[in-house]
Amino acid sequence: DAKTTQPPSMDCAEGRAANLPCNHSTISGNEYVYWYRQIHSQGPQYIIHGLKNNETNEMASLIITEDRKSSTLILPHATLRDTAVYYCIGSYNTDKLIFGTGTRLQVFP
Amino acid sequence: EAGVTQFPSHSVIEKGQTVTLRCDPISGHDNLYWYRRVMGKEIKFLLHFVKESKQDESGMPNNRFLAERTGGTYSTLKVQPAELEDSGVYFCASSLSTWTGRDANTEAFFGQGTRLTVV
Repeated sequence: DAKTTQPPSMDCAEGRAANLPCNHSTISGNEYVYWYRQIHSQGPQYIIHGLKNNETNEMASLIITEDRKSSTLILPHATLRDTAVYYCIGSYNTDKLIFGTGTRLQVFP
Repeated sequence: EAGVTQFPSHSVIEKGQTVTLRCDPISGHDNLYWYRRVMGKEIKFLLHFVKESKQDESGMPNNRFLAERTGGTYSTLKVQPAELEDSGVYFCASSLSTWTGRDANTEAFFGQGTRLTVV
């Protein structure tokens, strides 16, 4: 599974877009980019995943660079409830997710 | 639809005792996973069941840990005897399919976790 690199922490004002970067330069052609988050005291929560194309769902958008070496998770209108640790994971599937240290996103009023 | 449920939510036991954690996956999910986070460390994979069979148990730390999934429904994770370093939060997750592809549901749903404290 691909090793990913994320900034340890980020801040975002409520209502603004939160853009969380992830580097995965060693990702292989068949590995997906998954994003999960963990809100304090809860279990990890799936957000979105993608392979090559950009993806969007009700929670977020995922922008993957053409060379697939990096991606950005976008929360279009961050709320206080989006404060969490966000994990970028490169994996063939969900059989064995390797969680790194993630990015601690703090959304402030 | 009920999510992944874990029991108990908290457990405090003494070193040397036995503890059994239970996980009820989402109904119909063949895949069941156990993960744990020990204090200050990252969330680590423990093992993966497909129905009642252990697909991958490469993350199990040692033979004090025993996971079962009789009948392919709920799963238990027993720690016997418990040691201080076993303290942490144990998460269970389940998924419908692990097929890699655009049309497959590859989302893993996690439970709230069991916080285990060994004193």
